[in-house]
Amino acid sequence: AQSVTQPDIHITVSEGASLELRCNYSYGATPYLFWYVQSPGQGLQLLLKYFSGDTLVQGIKGFEAEFKRSQSSFNLRKPSVHWSDAAEYFCAVATSGAGSYQLTFGKGTKLSVIP
Amino acid sequence: DGGITQSPKYLFRKEGQNVTLSCEQNLNHDAMYWYRQDPGQGLRLIYYSQIVNDFQKGDIAEGYSVSREKKESFPLTVTSAQKNPTAFYLCASTLDRDQPQHFGDGTRLSIL
Repeated sequence: AQSVTQPDIHITVSEGASLELRCNYSYGATPYLFWYVQSPGQGLQLLLKYFSGDTLVQGIKGFEAEFKRSQSSFNLRKPSVHWSDAAEYFCAVATSGAGSYQLTFGKGTKLSVIP
Repeated sequence: DGGITQSPKYLFRKEGQNVTLSCEQNLNHDAMYWYRQDPGQGLRLIYYSQIVNDFQKGDIAEGYSVSREKKESFPLTVTSAQKNPTAFYLCASTLDRDQPQHFGDGTRLSIL
């Protein structure tokens, strides 16, 4: 069965510092991979997705992620964090099926930003 | 603007009571999903529907029921058989398997 591991439950960084959030997945076939962000009490917003092609994916809000098949990883990065980036981040892998797919989520990483 | 509307934002359930959470989308998406979110647990799939009048159980369907009578609507009923219903419930939809899922703003269900 597919699974997603986000090893860091909570990360704190200073504003302006770089950020890397880790994600490892387990899935037999070529994965569809996603990063979502959630502010408190809100739904999830898509940051970026990887379906195929270039393994370095650019997303919204200055985020990027790199798919590394050999490491089964899809880490999220940002060169300079802003205070508004404080939120919870979820990595997800899609299991393909006829017509649509289901997402399996990691447990999330909460990001705090120190001014 | 197109999107997914979940209502109500907050809902309270008494013991032994069924409650229904609404999810409406005007994105013309075929597939719709219900997830449950508990603190520190990520999101877990309850039910999903690929087309009208068809739906499948997800990982934690026990104590829940759904219907899909219209393409735009996918209501979730939390029955009295669900013994631990307190959670944040999220509805999502997608056009097809090559598109990401879009999420509503959620409904928080609590027990009185």
